Amino acid sequence: AQSVTQLGSHVSVSEGALVLLRCNYSSSVPPYLFWYVQYPNQGLQLLLKYTSAATLVKGINGFEAEFKKSETSFHLTKPSAHMSDAAEYFCAVSKGGSARQLTFGSGTQLTVLP
Amino acid sequence: GAGVSQSPSNKVTEKGKDVELRCDPISGHTALYWYRQRLGQGLEFLIYFQGNSAPDKSGLPSDRFSAERTGESVSTLTIQRTQQEDSAVYLCASSLAGAGTEAFFGQGTRLTVV
Repeated sequence: AQSVTQLGSHVSVSEGALVLLRCNYSSSVPPYLFWYVQYPNQGLQLLLKYTSAATLVKGINGFEAEFKKSETSFHLTKPSAHMSDAAEYFCAVSKGGSARQLTFGSGTQLTVLP
Repeated sequence: GAGVSQSPSNKVTEKGKDVELRCDPISGHTALYWYRQRLGQGLEFLIYFQGNSAPDKSGLPSDRFSAERTGESVSTLTIQRTQQEDSAVYLCASSLAGAGTEAFFGQGTRLTVV
């Protein structure tokens, strides 16, 4: 079985501050890990994915995530928040890497304060 | 089209009525997925198509839910005798086959059962 826990359903940061969104997973086999972003009234967009090629993964819009096997974590970070980063972020884990086996976390709503 | 297209974008229906939700995947994507997103929750897997067949229907919540796909293209999700708990955003995604491939999501259909 696989599962994802996102700590903090709501996170607020000031514009220019560090963004840290937490994700912990459990998987019986080496996982594929994804971060998706959902802007209001839009579908999900892939930010980045981990497929075992490198533990530090860089994505779009300046986001990156580090896979830490010992901590079973895949936290999402961005050095400096921008107002346009306000959205909901979902972490997901997949055993086989295909979307049918994607298990999503409950999401973290990011608010960026001016 | 360039992306996954879903229609209608919004649907309000009376309890007990049947509804059909449509998904047009990206051309050439053999895999198609339906997810449900309830307010404040993560994505719940419903069903997966590979071509026109559905090898995984494990997520369908009840026999009121069914889906079909024709011509390895358009898919329709049908909910019969809708209930208020069916109110959610229904998201469709498509991808190429293979591990680690990205799933592209549509904007979803917001279903409200009154």
